[in-house]
Amino acid sequence: AQSVTQLDSHVSVSEGTPVLLRCNYSSSYSPSLFWYVQHPNKGLQLLLKYTSAATLVKGINGFEAEFKKSETSFHLTKPSAHMSDAAEYFCVVTPTYKYIFGTGTRLKVLA
Amino acid sequence: DTEVTQTPKHLVMGMTNKKSLKCEQHMGHRAMYWYKQKAKKPPELMFVYSYEKLSINESVPSRFSPECPNSSLLNLHLHALQPEDSALYLCASSQPTSNNEQFFGPGTRLTVL
Repeated sequence: AQSVTQLDSHVSVSEGTPVLLRCNYSSSYSPSLFWYVQHPNKGLQLLLKYTSAATLVKGINGFEAEFKKSETSFHLTKPSAHMSDAAEYFCVVTPTYKYIFGTGTRLKVLA
Repeated sequence: DTEVTQTPKHLVMGMTNKKSLKCEQHMGHRAMYWYKQKAKKPPELMFVYSYEKLSINESVPSRFSPECPNSSLLNLHLHALQPEDSALYLCASSQPTSNNEQFFGPGTRLTVL
C-alpha cells in the first residue's frame, strides 16, 4: 500500500530565510510524487512533480524538491521565503491516477 | 488553455433544495474528478470519470449524483444535503494514465443550512 506522511503540520519562517517542508512516502514500487500549494479558499496549484527522471526537481516560484529513495523522502525547499508563500502545502503520491494526499503543512511567513 | 473552471464560486442551499455544481476544462483531458475538502484537511476523492464513464465512486452517499455529459464537462447534482456536507468542492482533470498531474479548479464553497 502507498502512503505519504508530512512530518510537520505547521512551519513558521521569517521572510528571506530558507523553507523546508518534509515529506516521507511509502511505496512498494517507484512512485510518482507531487507537491501542491493551496492558498486560502483557493484550488490546488501544482508546484512540481517527480516521475523517475531527475532526482532534483525544480518547480515554480523558486521551489525545488529532491527525491531520495534510500530515505523515502521528497522534501520541498526554497532558498528564501516570501510573504506570498504563506499557504497550505500538500505532498501527494500516486500509484495510478488516484491521488494519496499527505495531511498538509501550513507555512507561515513572518515579516 | 490550462484552466479548470468551476461554477458557482459560492452556493448556499437548504436541506430540501436541488442544486448543481459545474466544472469545465478544455485541455483535452479524459479523466475528471470531484473532491470534497473540509477546513484544514486534504481533499477527499469522491468520484472519478475516465473517458466519460464513472470509474471510481468512493462510497459517496446517493444525495451526490455526478454526471459527465461530454469530455469537457463534469457536473455534481446535489439533493437533500445535510449540514455536514458543507465544504469546498474541488474539480480536477488529468490524462487517465499514471504519473500525470491533476489540474484543479478554484472550487465551489458550499454551505448547507
